Amino acid sequence: DGGITQSPKYLFRKEGQNVTLSCEQNLNHDAMYWYRQDPGQGLRLIYYSQIVNDFQKGDIAEGYSVSREKKESFPLTVTSAQKNPTAFYLCASSVRTGANTGELFFGEGSRLTVL
Amino acid sequence: GENVEQHPSTLSVQEGDSAVIKCTYSDSASNYFPWYKQELGKRPQLIIDIRSNVGEKKDQRIAVTLNKTAKHFSLHITETQPEDSAVYFCALSGYSTLTFGKGTMLLVSP
Repeated sequence: DGGITQSPKYLFRKEGQNVTLSCEQNLNHDAMYWYRQDPGQGLRLIYYSQIVNDFQKGDIAEGYSVSREKKESFPLTVTSAQKNPTAFYLCASSVRTGANTGELFFGEGSRLTVL
Repeated sequence: GENVEQHPSTLSVQEGDSAVIKCTYSDSASNYFPWYKQELGKRPQLIIDIRSNVGEKKDQRIAVTLNKTAKHFSLHITETQPEDSAVYFCALSGYSTLTFGKGTMLLVSP
């Protein structure tokens, strides 16, 4: 069954701890993305990757880090430097990016709560 | 980056009525305008999209119109049903990826 898998679905973190959210896709897409969703704020781009071993900052990258060692995987680390990490995180992928971006396919999301 | 304004933020209609959500943007280079629907607790999913060489596109009860001169595009849902209740996001293409509006919560009452 093709798609995007995010884990964990729910995660609790103590202040000062780093956490890593997993995102795996088997759609053979080159591009992958991480968005943050807060009530009334829409979807804000954290990081994106157009190809393996390459990634760029989005609009709200501060306090986050990513890696793209494999085409299928794009994990997101929420570091202790992120001031307000409690949010719903969505991973997505697409065939390509830029002006020819087509449909984004989203995972089910990961809800992070900082205690 | 690109900026997109979406209105209204909430919209309540009676079943069978029409619903219209509008987005305005500033970047003339954008050429792809999708709409996503996110049901409560679910992932966003593409419901319709339009490219800049087309003024209108329909898919059953859903239509999207684009006015590139005025830089706005709209989602039209006719004969609304309770299962249309969800958050709808407009988006537009930019240099690197899509920029999303802040969303419209649509509530369709039976």
